[in-house]
Amino acid sequence: SQQGEEDPQALSIQEGENATMNCSYKTSINNLQWYRQNSGRGLVHLILIRSNEREKHSGRLRVTLDTSKKSSSLLITASRAADTASYFCAAGGYSGAGSYQLTFGKGTKLSVIP
Amino acid sequence: KAGVTQTPRYLIKTRGQQVTLSCSPISGHRSVSWYQQTPGQGLQFLFEYFSETQRNKGNFPGRFSGRQFSNSRSEMNVSTLELGDSALYLCASSLAPSGLNQETQYFGPGTRLLVL
Repeated sequence: SQQGEEDPQALSIQEGENATMNCSYKTSINNLQWYRQNSGRGLVHLILIRSNEREKHSGRLRVTLDTSKKSSSLLITASRAADTASYFCAAGGYSGAGSYQLTFGKGTKLSVIP
Repeated sequence: KAGVTQTPRYLIKTRGQQVTLSCSPISGHRSVSWYQQTPGQGLQFLFEYFSETQRNKGNFPGRFSGRQFSNSRSEMNVSTLELGDSALYLCASSLAPSGLNQETQYFGPGTRLLVL
């Protein structure tokens, strides 16, 4: 079953505004990753935050992780039209069978209006 | 350095047929993972190969299989295709098994499979 669930499903903002996407997951994780996908193409890795970290920055991206609430958020500051894409969180962890895998949410579709 | 490449990019098959998809990882990467993406189920992990061995497996039926060659290139095969197998199949590579040091996975552009 899907571990990551993003919220909102779709988000439309004006260029220059900040965009915040949230992700919840169900079981314990080793890490939480965020990916971007442009219109049915491959995924681009944005950032990885480990389970013992609370916040991480990369350029205009800020990710937080709250393991007590099993949730993460991705903030994109000063958004640009080129940020228009679908954003996925992926929970990295071990299944009951001891197999490590990334479990993706269904994504947030972000539209940045010029 | 060239990225992950997948062939073919688009494929149309009919129910009952089988299909083989190919993935060439980034040079030096030895781990290859496969994912299926559909509008209904989203992105789901199929399996991961490292050094020609299946290391991890998702919850898919035995019709879905894969292998990895000594040059790290990987193929996945789907036999007895069903309409529900229509999807974007994504391959991702990493230097080492994804769970070992929480390696970043680099994705290819995908193969879009349509089953009629």
